[in-house]
Amino acid sequence: EVQLVQSGAEVKKPGESLKVSCKGSGYSFTSYWIGWVRQMPGKGLEWMGIIYPGDSDTRYSPSFQGQVTISADKYISTAYLQWSSLKASDTAMYYCVRPLSGIEVDYWGQGTLVTVSS
Amino acid sequence: EIVMTQSPATLSVSPGERATLSCRASQSVSSNFAWYQQKPGQAPRLLIYGAAIRATGIPARFSGSESGTEFTLTISSLQSEDFALYYCQQYKNWPYTFGQGTKVEIK
Repeated sequence: EVQLVQSGAEVKKPGESLKVSCKGSGYSFTSYWIGWVRQMPGKGLEWMGIIYPGDSDTRYSPSFQGQVTISADKYISTAYLQWSSLKASDTAMYYCVRPLSGIEVDYWGQGTLVTVSS
Repeated sequence: EIVMTQSPATLSVSPGERATLSCRASQSVSSNFAWYQQKPGQAPRLLIYGAAIRATGIPARFSGSESGTEFTLTISSLQSEDFALYYCQQYKNWPYTFGQGTKVEIK
């Protein structure tokens, strides 16, 4: 069974750094793209970026390029989403997703709520 | 970037009635298209992918169709558990993009 298990909720102050994680299991982690979707409070879904753990090829949505860093450690089947300096506007739910591909369905993590407040 | 435009923003429907949701892509996405349902406090749930393939466990009252760059989700007879937010998504080109959502509410 494919599972994506995300790290727990975080409460941070503006300017702090943060790295959230997503551990994949039940499939070959290096053979599928994995990425992050943001959902701000009361708003819609936005793809942030994706990474192919097999070769670390990483792609960002233009809105998020330079704002976050996506990485993966293929040896522990874990993907990461990282901020160097959080802003209040980063307050959101973040979902780890193995995206749809051809006729293969997608898989979603349970979400990590990030709250940034002074 | 491919822009996905959903309509209407809100759909008011009585239980048992048919609901028709639309999504238009700004350029061709072929059949690399999906519909999701989201309820408060939950992650999105995949309903339809490949434009018309029901995901595992999705009731037959949900169906998807495509005509060029226009996609339709039909719920044949709304049940109480179907009142929720619905999003479309294209996964043909990166960045993958979602529509802004359609809220299906009880009339």
